[in-house]
Amino acid sequence: DAGVIQSPRHEVTEMGQEVTLRCKPISGHNSLFWYRQTMMRGLELLIYFNNNVPIDDSGMPEDRFSAKMPNASFSTLKIQPSEPRDSAVYFCASSTSDLTVHNSGNTIYFGEGSWLTVV
Amino acid sequence: AQKVTQAQTEISVVEKEDVTLDCVYETRDTTYYLFWYKQPPSGELVFLIRRNSFDEQNEISGRYSWNFQKSTSSFNFTITASQVVDSAVYFCALSEAGNFNKFYFGSGTKLNVKP
Repeated sequence: DAGVIQSPRHEVTEMGQEVTLRCKPISGHNSLFWYRQTMMRGLELLIYFNNNVPIDDSGMPEDRFSAKMPNASFSTLKIQPSEPRDSAVYFCASSTSDLTVHNSGNTIYFGEGSWLTVV
Repeated sequence: AQKVTQAQTEISVVEKEDVTLDCVYETRDTTYYLFWYKQPPSGELVFLIRRNSFDEQNEISGRYSWNFQKSTSSFNFTITASQVVDSAVYFCALSEAGNFNKFYFGSGTKLNVKP
């Protein structure tokens, strides 16, 4: 089965440019998460969606960050304008809220990450 | 206070040694889930195990085993006969009945297995 698919895997961009990260969750999962990982702050939840609806965006750093989920199989995280301090690994993840799924209900499965460098 | 504490920042062992990674959690919920994830040098986060609060039975999967003890709020992870491929950062995480979508991650333990 296909896992969470993220693109691009690596991106280097100049300060001020717009960055768009893309994610395809695992088919059948109804929750989607965007995390950011840095050495200083570890893993941070930026936002999560349930059934395509944003539920908690309290982790989004500032207005420069926005996320959308137009349908159950696609989400984007956009940074505009980007700044050097946005350099990090951005993970998309998905889960099913069906707790009856043996040993995996509500388990978050991560994509391989998008490594962003803003210079 | 941190919900999930991984006190060991970094551990180094020699191949074939056994190693235990500690995880202590804090919650007031009676229903919750505990997880372990592995992050190898390549960077992806790999799910290893999920345990619910009503199942204290220890789990073994090959060289991996997990010891869940509610009395001490711990969910420790042991690797038996470690191998170089076990070198990674390991994260423990907690989600609670109040919101199963909100995961509390520990700060991770970096395991170095030397040949």
